[in-house]
Amino acid sequence: DGGITQSPKYLFRKEGQNVTLSCEQNLNHDAMYWYRQDPGQGLRLIYYSQIVNDFQKGDIAEGYSVSREKKESFPLTVTSAQKNPTAFYLCASSPDYSSYEQYFGPGTRLTVT
Amino acid sequence: GQNIDQPTEMTATEGAIVQINCTYQTSGFNGLFWYQQHAGEAPTFLSYNVLDGLEEKGRFSSFLSRSKGYSYLLLKELQMKDSASYLCAVRVPSNDYKLSFGAGTTVTVRA
Repeated sequence: DGGITQSPKYLFRKEGQNVTLSCEQNLNHDAMYWYRQDPGQGLRLIYYSQIVNDFQKGDIAEGYSVSREKKESFPLTVTSAQKNPTAFYLCASSPDYSSYEQYFGPGTRLTVT
Repeated sequence: GQNIDQPTEMTATEGAIVQINCTYQTSGFNGLFWYQQHAGEAPTFLSYNVLDGLEEKGRFSSFLSRSKGYSYLLLKELQMKDSASYLCAVRVPSNDYKLSFGAGTTVTVRA
């Protein structure tokens, strides 16, 4: 089955620790995205990658980092510099950056205490 | 920046019709999307409008007026499973075709 996987579904970390969220897709899509969702707010774009080995900052990139070394993988690291890391994180992909539909993974709920 | 507004909450009765409005002010336009998101789950694509008019897909319809910066999603014959958040998103070509999302409208369907 083709799709996007994010693991784990729930993640707990202590304040001050970096944590990496995984995102893998087997759809052969060029473009991948990371969004953050907070209660009562829409999805906000953290980082995006239009093609392997390239990525761009989104609207709220501070305190986050990404890599895109393989086409199918786009991991997100939430660093200790991110002031409010507790949120629901969604990864998405699309065939290319101009494609009209984005396909979303199941999300990871990160709780930092 | 991009500005996309939609109501926060709506409540309707099973079998009824609900219309969710979305207004947008963006620096360019290359399509408007509606997604459905059940609590704690990923958004799923519902519809895409790039030209003015109504697009119908089963019980769901979406309308777009580009001159008014306005869209609505119409849900007919509401079912309990339609209780979810509905997200309006606009794609802006000058912004690398990125999607800008509204805050979402939570629809509660009551028996």
